[in-house]
Amino acid sequence: SQTIHQWPATLVQPVGSPLSLECTVEGTSNPNLYWYRQAAGRGLQLLFYSVGIGQISSEVPQNLSASRPQDRQFILSSKKLLLSDSGFYLCACPNEGPRYGYTFGSGTRLTVV
Amino acid sequence: AQKVTQAQTEISVVEKEDVTLDCVYETRDTTYYLFWYKQPPSGELVFLIRRNSFDEQNEISGRYSWNFQKSTSSFNFTITASQVVDSAVYFCALSEAPSSASKIIFGSGTRLSIRP
Repeated sequence: SQTIHQWPATLVQPVGSPLSLECTVEGTSNPNLYWYRQAAGRGLQLLFYSVGIGQISSEVPQNLSASRPQDRQFILSSKKLLLSDSGFYLCACPNEGPRYGYTFGSGTRLTVV
Repeated sequence: AQKVTQAQTEISVVEKEDVTLDCVYETRDTTYYLFWYKQPPSGELVFLIRRNSFDEQNEISGRYSWNFQKSTSSFNFTITASQVVDSAVYFCALSEAPSSASKIIFGSGTRLSIRP
């Protein structure tokens, strides 16, 4: 079964600083990958998804970007963070097999100060 | 466009009460999947169930049960004899049929608090 690794677990960054969050997947090849953000007390918003290396689709206009340099690597970036970028960021990929849903990483809690 | 609505923002019940979390969805796809996830205070998302749009059979797993009704586009979740450990945010979600994207769209979540 798949395992998703996300790091760091928590991050405090000043406004205007750059950001790079990394997600790597084990146990599968060429998976669809997704970045979600959960603002404090809110639901999960899909930010980006990727169906393969170099293929990125953006769901909402924002200050963030994503890249997929390798099959099992998905990176979320920003050149200059805004206060509104604070939140809980989760990476996900579909499980293989008919019964199960999607596997999520343990998330990165980002606080922009 | 796909949409998932969880109208109940917060629910608080006393332990051992039954509680139902509502979920209403919208989709134009004829084949789709519905999910429920649990998010405890630690933040990770715990998969609870996946339902195929062709399978309207209700499901029971211990104290958990799910009622899927295509006629009303609802996929409600009931916890019987609730326990304090059930306290969490619960998300209902919808995914289009397996395709190149297969995006999951989440509802806004219902925060469930079980009081001892």
